[in-house]
Amino acid sequence: SQTIHQWPATLVQPVGSPLSLECTVEGTSNPNLYWYRQAAGRGLQLLFYSVGIGQISSEVPQNLSASRPQDRQFILSSKKLLLSDSGFYLCAWSVPSNQPQHFGDGTRLSIL
Amino acid sequence: AQTVTQSQPEMSVQEAETVTLSCTYDTSENNYYLFWYKQPPSRQMILVIRQEAYKQQNATENRFSVNFQKAAKSFSLKISDSQLGDTAMYFCAFMKHSNSGYALNFGKGTSLLVTP
Repeated sequence: SQTIHQWPATLVQPVGSPLSLECTVEGTSNPNLYWYRQAAGRGLQLLFYSVGIGQISSEVPQNLSASRPQDRQFILSSKKLLLSDSGFYLCAWSVPSNQPQHFGDGTRLSIL
Repeated sequence: AQTVTQSQPEMSVQEAETVTLSCTYDTSENNYYLFWYKQPPSRQMILVIRQEAYKQQNATENRFSVNFQKAAKSFSLKISDSQLGDTAMYFCAFMKHSNSGYALNFGKGTSLLVTP
């Protein structure tokens, strides 16, 4: 069966520090991969999605970037974190079709 | 752009009762998909139910069912025989076909509390 792993679960970082959140999927090949952010008390906002290695699409202009160095690995990064980057970050995967997305357990990011 | 509106920020229901969560959406697309996701306090996003827009029959999954009204662009979720474990945030989501992928647009969510 397919599983999705996301880490770390919780992260506290100072303003201006770099960021790297990792997401990996097991049990499937060539998945679509997604990064979402959930601000406190709000719904999910799509940040990035990828349909293949090295293919990244950004939905909103922001301080973050994403990379897909391997088929089942999706990384969310920042060179310098802002206070506004705080939130709950969720990685998701789906097969390359109209099938539902399946989410990881999320990373709670706090910026001090 | 597609927008998803959940007009009920909070709802409560007694155990074993039935509750309906509302969702409306705005789109010019004809082919699309609708979902309800559940997010319990653990913050996991769990798929509850899915509806294809081309299907007239309403989707059902055990105690969960939807009332899909395509012309009205309405997609409500009915939870029957509510259980304490149903306490969670519920998000309605819209997905359209795209050559670049299948991104979900989420509503802001409805917080459901099931009381004993």
